[in-house]
Amino acid sequence: AQSVAQPEDQVNVAEGNPLTVKCTYSVSGNPYLFWYVQYPNRGLQFLLKYITGDNLVKGSYGFEAEFNKSQTSFHLKKPSALVSDSALYFCAVRHGMVTGGGNKLTFGTGTQLKVEL
Amino acid sequence: DAGVIQSPRHEVTEMGQEVTLRCKPISGHDYLFWYRQTMMRGLELLIYFNNNVPIDDSGMPEDRFSAKMPNASFSTLKIQPSEPRDSAVYFCASSGENTEAFFGQGTRLTVV
Repeated sequence: AQSVAQPEDQVNVAEGNPLTVKCTYSVSGNPYLFWYVQYPNRGLQFLLKYITGDNLVKGSYGFEAEFNKSQTSFHLKKPSALVSDSALYFCAVRHGMVTGGGNKLTFGTGTQLKVEL
Repeated sequence: DAGVIQSPRHEVTEMGQEVTLRCKPISGHDYLFWYRQTMMRGLELLIYFNNNVPIDDSGMPEDRFSAKMPNASFSTLKIQPSEPRDSAVYFCASSGENTEAFFGQGTRLTVV
């Protein structure tokens, strides 16, 4: 079964410092991985995705993620955190790209990011 | 496009009542998903449709839950009868064949 794990419930970082939110995956076949962000009382917003190609994926709001096949990881990163980045972050895996057969996403448990001044 | 539109945004109902949640997906998207979010269980996929046909409803918790998609621009999730443990935020999302999923703002359901 496809799954992702987010080992940290919360990550605290000072504004201006680099941030990393961890995600590991378990899939059969090629992984299709995503990061979403959720602000309070809002829906999930897409940040970035890895389908194929370069291992370093760049996304919205200065975020990027590094796909590491040997470590089965897809950590979310940002060089310099902002207070406004404080939110709940979800890693997700798509169950294949077969037409009509497996387009659903399975999400991790989420990591609360808190950026402080 | 206005994005995925859900209604109502908030619903408070009494135990035993019927609740209907509504979703309008993004035009042209042929996948529609219903998720439930709670503190205890996180984000759970309840059911998803492809071209208006239910593909996987294994996440629907019990027979009290039902979902329909009568056309490409509308879906409903119905709970009858509702129970306090159904209190959660329910999200609808849609995607194209090879695009990421776009989420609605959610419906916060409280069953008292």
